[in-house]
Amino acid sequence: SQKIEQNSEALNIQEGKTATLTCNYTNYSPAYLQWYRQDPGRGPVFLLLIRENEKEKRKERLKVTFDTTLKQSLFHITASQPADSATYLCALNNAGNMLTFGGGTRLMVKP
Amino acid sequence: NAGVTQTPKFQVLKTGQSMTLQCAQDMNHEYMSWYRQDPGMGLRLIHYSVGAGITDQGEVPNGYNVSRSTTEDFPLRLLSAAPSQTSVYFCASSLVDPSRTQYFGPGTRLTVL
Repeated sequence: SQKIEQNSEALNIQEGKTATLTCNYTNYSPAYLQWYRQDPGRGPVFLLLIRENEKEKRKERLKVTFDTTLKQSLFHITASQPADSATYLCALNNAGNMLTFGGGTRLMVKP
Repeated sequence: NAGVTQTPKFQVLKTGQSMTLQCAQDMNHEYMSWYRQDPGMGLRLIHYSVGAGITDQGEVPNGYNVSRSTTEDFPLRLLSAAPSQTSVYFCASSLVDPSRTQYFGPGTRLTVL
């Protein structure tokens, strides 16, 4: 069955460091991979989208890579700040009508 | 624009009661969807709609009904609430493009006793 895995353990890093979050998937051939941010008590907010034929996408301090051979996406936040503390969700879509989400990884950036 | 709005924000039901969670969007999005979020389970798709009059089942549709009479509104009905339906419910909308980038509402926290 299709499966999306994100590290369920919280990632704790020091302010100013680069945070790297991982999204692995199996039995899936996604055309699009997306990353969302979710703060406690709020709905997810879209951050970045990367297509299957793209290796890397950047937006300000955010960078996403997409390796369809390894079936993995990495999400990087450079120069991390305490305000970056949140849960980050990856989501996959094979260009159909259903977007499937991973369980999310909680990031804690300590000052 | 208000984006995606959901009401109520919190709700407590007794087992067997029915209720409707409301969702509305003002972005003229054709695609709307309902997710539930449970600890350790992530977001799971309940039902979705690609336009007025068209709905389809997602991953976990049992116990829920939807209808889409207008582009703006997509209510979710719980027919006979069960404790297993205790969850946080999110409504989302998107353009009809292949990526399905979602705009989420603030969520409804539902407790079934």
